Order: sequence, then structure tokens, then C-alpha cells
Amino acid sequence: GAVVSQHPSWVICKSGTSVKIECRSLDFQATTMFWYRQFPKQSLMLMATSNEGSKATYEQGVEKDKFLINHASLTLSTLTVTSAHPEDSSFYICSARDSGTGIGELFFGEGSRLTVL
Amino acid sequence: SQQGEEDPQALSIQEGENATMNCSYKTSINNLQWYRQNSGRGLVHLILIRSNEREKHSGRLRVTLDTSKKSSSLLITASRAADTASYFCATDAGGNTPLVFGKGTRLSVIA
Repeated sequence: GAVVSQHPSWVICKSGTSVKIECRSLDFQATTMFWYRQFPKQSLMLMATSNEGSKATYEQGVEKDKFLINHASLTLSTLTVTSAHPEDSSFYICSARDSGTGIGELFFGEGSRLTVL
Repeated sequence: SQQGEEDPQALSIQEGENATMNCSYKTSINNLQWYRQNSGRGLVHLILIRSNEREKHSGRLRVTLDTSKKSSSLLITASRAADTASYFCATDAGGNTPLVFGKGTRLSVIA
């Protein structure tokens, strides 16, 4: 089946640094990818929709200048948490729709756990 | 934009018992999906039920969908300790829209 790969699976960084998380669709093309954030014992909250070749669409309350999204190719979207702070510590999960099928099935990455010290 | 509500928020049962989780949503959907998530791990897709389906089975899982009430239920029969996890429903409106997740149910199955 289709696979979405996320990297890194976990990262620890110091406050004030920037962290980049990659989301790759391994065997299909994805014009649209989605980024979610999940705090402990909570559900997944949509942060933004990443569109290949255009600007991302952010959900209300998500700072676009803090969470930079780049979707430069049909198989790769990146989320950069800029000037990370401890409150940004969370589980970040991406998902991608298979653009090649009429169904548009959606697949999830394994998630990236960010801990900001 | 979280639209789903799930109940109960937490459920604790004995091994061998059945577990039922409910999910309600607000808007029209193409399909509804159930996911499982072990603590600190990624999502595991369990089952998808389309808007024109009313019931679906997969092993020990049974999912129902009532589009008139905008609700779904997940039944896990003969539960096992290994079923301990969080379970989320997610609605799919199709097209290029994202899945919208419910708040989830934390299931604990006691051996």
C-alpha cells in the first residue's frame, strides 16, 4: 500500500532554534498534504494544508511565520518550526492524498515528536 | 477545525468484554474512518465506512454509520489487553479536504 514517510521521527532541540520536519509520499504523487499537531492526551488538530507549488493554507490560530510550510514537489512537504519554544513541543503528523487515483485516498506518516528544551 | 465529538472520553473494561465507542459529527461526509493510536505512536487505520453504507465488519470490529443522525459507532468484541489504545473517528468530506478528527476515546482493557 501507499506509504507516507516522516523524518525525523523524534527530535530534541534547544529553545530558539528551528526544526524542519519532512513528509514524503513514497510511491504516489500528492498535490495536497496536511499537517496536524497533537498535544498529549488530545486529538489531532489540523494546522495547515500544504499545496504543491503554492502557499499553504493555515488554520485559524496557527502562525504562518512560525510554522513555515514548503511543498516544492509532488512528493515532499516540509514543516519548519522556527524559533521553537517549549510550548511548541508536540507530536506533528502529516498526511497526503494520492492525487493519482479518483478516490483520493489519504495516508498518514508515522509522526514526528518534537521536544523543545 | 475539529468537528467530531466522541463518547465516552475514557472507557475501562475487563478483557473479554465488548467495547463501544460513539462519534458524532456536524457536516456532510464522503466517508468516516476509525483510527487507533497507541501511546506516543502514529495512527493505525482500522476501518472506513462510506456515506452510503450503514454497517461494516472487520474481524472483531463492527462499525455503524447513521448519516441522518450524523453519528457512528465502533464496537470491539471480545476485547484483549492489546486493544488498549486511543481510538479516533475522522470524517472525510472528499476532494482535497483534510480528515477532521474527533476528540477520541481512551480505551483501557484490563487483563
